[in-house]
Amino acid sequence: EAGVAQSPRYKIIEKRQSVAFWCNPISGHATLYWYQQILGQGPKLLIQFQNNGVVDDSQLPKDRFSAERLKGVDSTLKIQPAKLEDSAVYLCASSAQETQYFGPGTRLLVL
Amino acid sequence: GNSVTQMEGPVTLSEEAFLTINCTYTATGYPSLFWYVQYPGEGLQLLLKATKADDKGSNKGFEATYRKETTSFHLEKGSVQVSDSAVYFCALSEFGNEKLTFGTGTRLTIIP
Repeated sequence: EAGVAQSPRYKIIEKRQSVAFWCNPISGHATLYWYQQILGQGPKLLIQFQNNGVVDDSQLPKDRFSAERLKGVDSTLKIQPAKLEDSAVYLCASSAQETQYFGPGTRLLVL
Repeated sequence: GNSVTQMEGPVTLSEEAFLTINCTYTATGYPSLFWYVQYPGEGLQLLLKATKADDKGSNKGFEATYRKETTSFHLEKGSVQVSDSAVYFCALSEFGNEKLTFGTGTRLTIIP
């Protein structure tokens, strides 16, 4: 069974630029999550989708972050404009039977 | 709100030593508890979980018991190996909601 796929693996941008991350969950998983993991901290949930609807986006900085999950499968997370403090690893996960499965993450560096 | 407190690291042990990484939680209701592991250069992997009080999760020689009376879920292994070097995260999810709340992680290094 293929795992959660994410791309790109690494991205370096300058502040005020925009960036987008892509996630393909495990086939058949209805629930998809985006987490932000700042160096030295545990992952923090940004947004949770159930199929193509948003379940929880209470910790998403909506002035600069957006996410969508068209057709209830793949998802994209966008940051526009990026700030220095957005430097982090962005993790995507999908879940089944109360267990979340994580992708390898996208490491973002904002200069 | 929910929170998870983990033993601060980093932790350095010799091979074959006994390992304990402490984890305590605060939650409403009856959460499920998890340990995730992140090996260098890889994504988070589920190590073990427990869904109710007194349950013991186990995998790869690691164990953790859900202790409701002490709100704890400490990770243990009797004899660690160099390949166990990684960052370990304790996490919880509320009943009926799969959203995870993570601790800050504990970096474990095993030296031969």
